[in-house]
Amino acid sequence: KQEVTQIPAALSVPEGENLVLNCSFTDSAIYNLQWFRQDPGKGLTSLLLIQSSQREQTSGRLNASLDKSSGRSTLYIAASQPGDSATYLCAPRGTNAGKSTFGDGTTLTVKP
Amino acid sequence: ETGVTQTPRHLVMGMTNKKSLKCEQHLGHNAMYWYKQSAKKPLELMFVYNFKEQTENNSVPSRFSPECPNSSHLFLHLHTLQPEDSALYLCASSQDRADTGELFFGEGSRLTVL
Repeated sequence: KQEVTQIPAALSVPEGENLVLNCSFTDSAIYNLQWFRQDPGKGLTSLLLIQSSQREQTSGRLNASLDKSSGRSTLYIAASQPGDSATYLCAPRGTNAGKSTFGDGTTLTVKP
Repeated sequence: ETGVTQTPRHLVMGMTNKKSLKCEQHLGHNAMYWYKQSAKKPLELMFVYNFKEQTENNSVPSRFSPECPNSSHLFLHLHTLQPEDSALYLCASSQDRADTGELFFGEGSRLTVL
């Protein structure tokens, strides 16, 4: 059974800082790994999707890396802004039944 | 309309009521999912439908009854719920169940059971 851990659980930084969110998973048999953002009481917004054959993906100030063999992914946010405040979730999608398993998320607060 | 749309956004019901949650996707996807998100718990997969057929029921109590009349619509029928069923119910879709594409979510239906 896939287990997903996200560290840290919460993070508070001043505006402008670069930061790294970590995701680890126990089963490396995955199709892909997706990073999401969730604002309070809202649904999940897809940020980046990394296929199992890829090492990283970039979108604007976001960069996600994947090391499938070690079961790790990181989300790098450059020049953080207050609007980046949200909970960030990672979800590896297993090759067994194509199921995505979610971590508990990292709640990010960026202070002006 | 585009993306994944869920209605209602908020629902309050008593334990003896019967209500339904609706999800509609305009992405041409073939797989649809129901997830439950409770406070301080990770998202839990409830049901998966692929090409209108239920392919997964993650040990969900029978008081939750899904229905998928076509690839674009997914319902979750609710009856005799318990207060611990109060949660955010999220619908998602993807191209198909086992593909390598993205998972897209709706805004969720916030359910409160009194």
